[in-house]
Amino acid sequence: SQTIHQWPATLVQPVGSPLSLECTVEGTSNPNLYWYRQAAGRGLQLLFYSVGIGQISSEVPQNLSASRPQDRQFILSSKKLLLSDSGFYLCAWSGGVVDEQYFGPGTRLTVT
Amino acid sequence: RKEVEQDPGPFNVPEGATVAFNCTYSNSASQSFFWYRQDCRKEPKLLMSVYSSGNEDGRFTAQLNRASQYISLLIRDSKLSDSATYLCVANNAGNMLTFGGGTRLMVKP
Repeated sequence: SQTIHQWPATLVQPVGSPLSLECTVEGTSNPNLYWYRQAAGRGLQLLFYSVGIGQISSEVPQNLSASRPQDRQFILSSKKLLLSDSGFYLCAWSGGVVDEQYFGPGTRLTVT
Repeated sequence: RKEVEQDPGPFNVPEGATVAFNCTYSNSASQSFFWYRQDCRKEPKLLMSVYSSGNEDGRFTAQLNRASQYISLLIRDSKLSDSATYLCVANNAGNMLTFGGGTRLMVKP
C-alpha cells in the first residue's frame, strides 16, 4: 500500500531564516505531488504541484519554491521566511486513473 | 465569489441525529467531487468520492446536483467520533482540487 511521509512534524523558525520541508511517497511510482498550505482557520491553498521529476508548477507567487529531485520526493523551500509563511503545510499525492489525493501528516510551521 | 462554498457551522447535533451539509461550486466544468474529513490539527482524509449523481458508504451519503451546482453530504445516526471538519472539494481539471473552507460538525452525547 502507499504511504506518504512528511518531516519535520513541527518547526519554529525566526523571520528571515531558510526553510526546507520534505515529503516522500512509498508504494507507487510517478505520482503527481502537491504542496498545500492551510493558515489558521482557513481553507487549503495549493502552492505547487509536480507531474514528474524536475517539473514544478506554481499556483501562487510567493517567496517559496519547490523541487522534485527524485520521483517520490518533493521538497518545499524558502530562502527567507516571512511571518505570513506560518501555517500547516501539507503534501499530497495522486496517481493512476483516479484523481483522488491523499495527504501526508503535515508540518506545522511557526515563524517568529 | 469563492469557487467552492460551504457553511462554516458549527453544526451541533446530538448523538444519533441525521445531519446534512451542502456545498456549492461555481465552475460548471468541474468533473468530480470529494468529501474529506479533517480532525483538529490533522491532515484531511478522504471520506467519499462523487463521480456521478451520488455515492453511499454506510452511514454516509453524498449527492451531486449538477444542474444546481451543489453537493450534499448526509450523515445518519451521528456518532461522537463523527465530530470533525468536513471539506467539500471540486476537481476542476488536470487533478487540480479546489477546497471549500470546511463545515465543522460537533456531535454531543
